[in-house]
Amino acid sequence: DARVTQTPRHKVTEMGQEVTMRCQPILGHNTVFWYRQTMMQGLELLAYFRNRAPLDDSGMPKDRFSAEMPDATLATLKIQPSEPRDSAVYFCASQGGPETQYFGPGTRLLVL
Amino acid sequence: AQSVTQLGSHVSVSEGALVLLRCNYSSSVPPYLFWYVQYPNQGLQLLLKYTSAATLVKGINGFEAEFKKSETSFHLTKPSAHMSDAAEYFCAVSTPGTALIFGKGTTLSVSS
Repeated sequence: DARVTQTPRHKVTEMGQEVTMRCQPILGHNTVFWYRQTMMQGLELLAYFRNRAPLDDSGMPKDRFSAEMPDATLATLKIQPSEPRDSAVYFCASQGGPETQYFGPGTRLLVL
Repeated sequence: AQSVTQLGSHVSVSEGALVLLRCNYSSSVPPYLFWYVQYPNQGLQLLLKYTSAATLVKGINGFEAEFKKSETSFHLTKPSAHMSDAAEYFCAVSTPGTALIFGKGTTLSVSS
C-alpha cells in the first residue's frame, strides 16, 4: 500500500528556531506539492516540484521559507527563522499522473 | 484562473438522511474536479474525481458527484448518512499540469 510519508508528525518549537519538515513521495511519483492548512486560510499551496525542479513557489514567504528536493525520494520544507504565525499543519502530496494527488498525514507545527 | 466555492461551511444531517454538499467552480478551461475527505488529525483522502469522462462519478463509501457544466457545479451526495461520515469535505479544481485549488471546506456532522 503505497503512501506519502511525512516527518515529524508533530513539532513544537520556539520562535526564531529553524524547522525542517520532510516528505517521502510515493515511489515513481514525479510531482510533489507542499500545502499549509490553517483555520483562517484553509488549504494553501506553498510550492510544488516536477521531476525535482521547482515549478511554483509563489505561495511561500521567500524570506523565511525554502523548499527543495535533494533527490526523487525526499522533499524538504524549511522555515528559518520560525514565527508563531507559521503554526499550522503542513501537508505534502505526490502525483504520478496528470490528475490525482495523494496526501501525507501532515506535520502539525506549533511555534511558541 | 480557477476557483472553488463551497456553499455552507457546516452541514448537519441525521443518520440515514441524504447528504448534499455543494461545490461550484470557475475555470477558463475544462477542469478536473475532486472531492477529498479529512478526518480529525489526518491527511486528505480522495473520495472521487471527475476528469472529463462520465459526468456522474461514484466514489468510495457510497458517495457520488455529478458534473454539471451548465451550472458549473460538482455537488457531492450520499443517499443515507452514517455516523462515520462525519468529517470535513473539500472540493478542489485543477487543470492538467496545475496544482489543486481547494474550497474552504464543509464540516459534515451526523446525529443519531
